[in-house]
Amino acid sequence: NAGVMQNPRHLVRRRGQEARLRCSPMKGHSHVYWYRQLPEEGLKFMVYLQKENIIDESGMPKERFSAEFPKEGPSILRIQQVVRGDSAAYFCASSRGHSNQPQHFGDGTRLSIL
Amino acid sequence: AQSVTQPDIHITVSEGASLELRCNYSYGATPYLFWYVQSPGQGLQLLLKYFSGDTLVQGIKGFEAEFKRSQSSFNLRKPSVHWSDAAEYFCAVPTGEYGNKLVFGAGTILRVKS
Repeated sequence: NAGVMQNPRHLVRRRGQEARLRCSPMKGHSHVYWYRQLPEEGLKFMVYLQKENIIDESGMPKERFSAEFPKEGPSILRIQQVVRGDSAAYFCASSRGHSNQPQHFGDGTRLSIL
Repeated sequence: AQSVTQPDIHITVSEGASLELRCNYSYGATPYLFWYVQSPGQGLQLLLKYFSGDTLVQGIKGFEAEFKRSQSSFNLRKPSVHWSDAAEYFCAVPTGEYGNKLVFGAGTILRVKS
């Protein structure tokens, strides 16, 4: 399967714990995006990364959220000290990187906060 | 800022009937536009894209969309719907300095009656 791979598919955390979501882009794609889907808010952009660089983080909450895309390995979306409101589906997408290129999505990580 | 509007939250059609899902965009220049489909518990799959040129765009699964500048629309169509087409459909436009931040419509949930 050469698609965007996300893991885990489901993640349960208690309030105050940390959540780490992983994303491996499609082969040949060097640009990664994270989106969050909340039931009443739809799909919202969070962050856009290239290898070792954050290009646009205008959609990231100011606190507790961070993202990285290291030289080796998957992209990581990290949420510290999770709260109930962080419960959502988090999707990763990747593209070849040219402006306005189509983005291909993974199946998402469903995060539930107890 | 660029945006898209999907005026229909739910649509129900009979299997075998034709389908049209509406999408209106707000953008001064010629936009890039995408349609995605999301099945329950899954990620988003790209159906088709419009960049420029022919205003009638063919996509996967028998879908097509027509770009109409005069109506600021990019409606998705299918001549004969199958029960497996039941899903949520999103129109999207890339925005931001790098053209890599997708802004999604609210989505249209398609139900197919047998």
